Amino acid sequence: DAGVTQSPTHLIKTRGQQVTLRCSPKSGHDTVSWYQQALGQGPQFIFQYYEEEERQRGNFPDRFSGHQFPNYSSELNVNALLLGDSALYLCASTRTGDGKNIQYFGAGTRLSVL
Amino acid sequence: AQSVTQLDSHVSVSEGTPVLLRCNYSSSYSPSLFWYVQHPNKGLQLLLKYTSAATLVKGINGFEAEFKKSETSFHLTKPSAHMSDAAEYFCVVSEPGSARQLTFGSGTQLTVLP
Repeated sequence: DAGVTQSPTHLIKTRGQQVTLRCSPKSGHDTVSWYQQALGQGPQFIFQYYEEEERQRGNFPDRFSGHQFPNYSSELNVNALLLGDSALYLCASTRTGDGKNIQYFGAGTRLSVL
Repeated sequence: AQSVTQLDSHVSVSEGTPVLLRCNYSSSYSPSLFWYVQHPNKGLQLLLKYTSAATLVKGINGFEAEFKKSETSFHLTKPSAHMSDAAEYFCVVSEPGSARQLTFGSGTQLTVLP
């Protein structure tokens, strides 16, 4: 049973560019959340997708957007990249309605903005 | 609003000695509390979860945590450290229920000395 998979594993971009990160949830999961982990800090919640809609959002600007597909996979898009966007981006999946809130994480995509 | 404070950014122990990683939380409701571990280049792995069923929670790899409401604490312990326990540990809080956003502490880096 494959866990949460993210691609790519590493990415280098320059300021002002746009980037798309991808996530496939664990089998049987229908909800995907994205987190940003800056160096030396804990992950911070960006947003969550369920039934192809953004359901919850953290304190991130509109430059951060996402999408969920009918197969539950998800994309995170960041426009107009800033140096401060350099971080590890983590995807987590869970199953809404099971009452457990056990979220499974992928290994992340490390984004470097130069 | 909810938050967690991890009281130590770094903890160093000798192999075979006990581990104590400290966490205090703040929440306006009865929270769900978690401990996750992050090994280098690997995703976050759930160690254990508290959901009010029992104040002493047993997790994987010999870890356990005790929920103390009067002290608003959720400290992680292990009787005997292994070299393989060296990693970053995160205390996490969320609202009760399924698919809630996770709020992470800043992490504690555990070093295990031979």
